[in-house]
Amino acid sequence: DAMVIQNPRYQVTQFGKPVTLSCSQTLNHNVMYWYQQKSSQAPKLLFHYYDKDFNNEADTPDNFQSRRPNTSFCFLDIRSPGLGDAAMYLCATSSPAGKWNEQFFGPGTRLTVL
Amino acid sequence: SQQGEEDPQALSIQEGENATMNCSYKTSINNLQWYRQNSGRGLVHLILIRSNEREKHSGRLRVTLDTSKKSSSLLITASRAADTASYFCATYTGGFKTIFGAGTRLFVKA
Repeated sequence: DAMVIQNPRYQVTQFGKPVTLSCSQTLNHNVMYWYQQKSSQAPKLLFHYYDKDFNNEADTPDNFQSRRPNTSFCFLDIRSPGLGDAAMYLCATSSPAGKWNEQFFGPGTRLTVL
Repeated sequence: SQQGEEDPQALSIQEGENATMNCSYKTSINNLQWYRQNSGRGLVHLILIRSNEREKHSGRLRVTLDTSKKSSSLLITASRAADTASYFCATYTGGFKTIFGAGTRLFVKA
């Protein structure tokens, strides 16, 4: 089945220690997104890629960066995680040719910062 | 600022009852979508309603949209314990940006 996969599902890091979360997709969608979701809150868009074009949200901290080496993979790098960065990180995809930006989500990576 | 706000924040009902969740938003939209999120998991797309539509059905789901009031509602009929989840409305205004509300947590008691 076509899907969005996130690894790892759970990630523990130390304060200030860089961490990378990964996302892959078999849907062949052009657009990939990273969201941050804190407990009982709305998912908050950090950035998205349309093919190789990177689009950063204005309020996304500089601490967060992303790479998309090819259509299938996208990475979220947190350079110096703080305690406030503990959250669920959701990857999603969509296709411009698809249904009005319907997004397909991965299961998420829960990040703990010690 | 948050585009969608949902009401109620939490809802507890008995199995077999209907569940209604409401969403209000602030700006003009291309469409409004509802997603479900089971505890600790990703979001699953449920239904999409375009700005020129007023009502849409999918199985036990019924969505309405009132663009004059900038509001939408999601009705789940004959709820089941498996419907226990958080439900989010999300508005799409173009440019690949979808803004999610804070969600309604639904608990269906068996």
